Amino acid sequence: AQSVTQLGSHVSVSEGALVLLRCNYSSSVPPYLFWYVQYPNQGLQLLLKYTTGATLVKGINGFEAEFKKSETSFHLTKPSAHMSDAAEYFCAVRPSGFQKLVFGTGTRLLVSP
Amino acid sequence: GAVVSQHPSRVICKSGTSVKIECRSLDFQATTMFWYRQFPKQSLMLMATSNEGSKATYEQGVEKDKFLINHASLTLSTLTVTSAHPEDSSFYICSANSLGAVNTEAFFGQGTRLTVV
Repeated sequence: AQSVTQLGSHVSVSEGALVLLRCNYSSSVPPYLFWYVQYPNQGLQLLLKYTTGATLVKGINGFEAEFKKSETSFHLTKPSAHMSDAAEYFCAVRPSGFQKLVFGTGTRLLVSP
Repeated sequence: GAVVSQHPSRVICKSGTSVKIECRSLDFQATTMFWYRQFPKQSLMLMATSNEGSKATYEQGVEKDKFLINHASLTLSTLTVTSAHPEDSSFYICSANSLGAVNTEAFFGQGTRLTVV
């Protein structure tokens, strides 16, 4: 069965610092990979996705993620954190050929001034 | 991007009553919609997969008689929480995949905060 591991339920950074949110997945074949952001009492908004092609994926709000097959990872980064980035971030995978998403447990990003 | 509208955003109901939550895809057709439940500070738990014109597929441990799902058209799925109890209080989120698209992302509704008193 597919699974997604997000290391760190909370990540704290200072405004302007690098953001790194970790995501590892288990899969025998490369799945489709997604990062979503959730603000309080709201649904999920797609940040970026990897399906095929270039392994470095750029998303909205300055975020990017790199698919590393050898490490089964899809870590999310942003060079400089902004206060508005404080939110819950979910990594998700969709096994190839299936429509169901498997979510990680989420990482809450805290940004201090 | 595609828009999924979920209504209502908040609802308070009395214990023993039923509540219906709607999920609409506004600018695309969705053959498949998903219903999730999210507990405070936790991830999304998939409750069921809703397919247009057929019965929903429920995840293990989800009571199908309590959480009734109807996907009557390609743009609308509803979740009815029957005989609600305080333990059903939660944040419910729907998502939809566009017709024929497997490798694109799911589009999420805004969520519904259900409080049963």
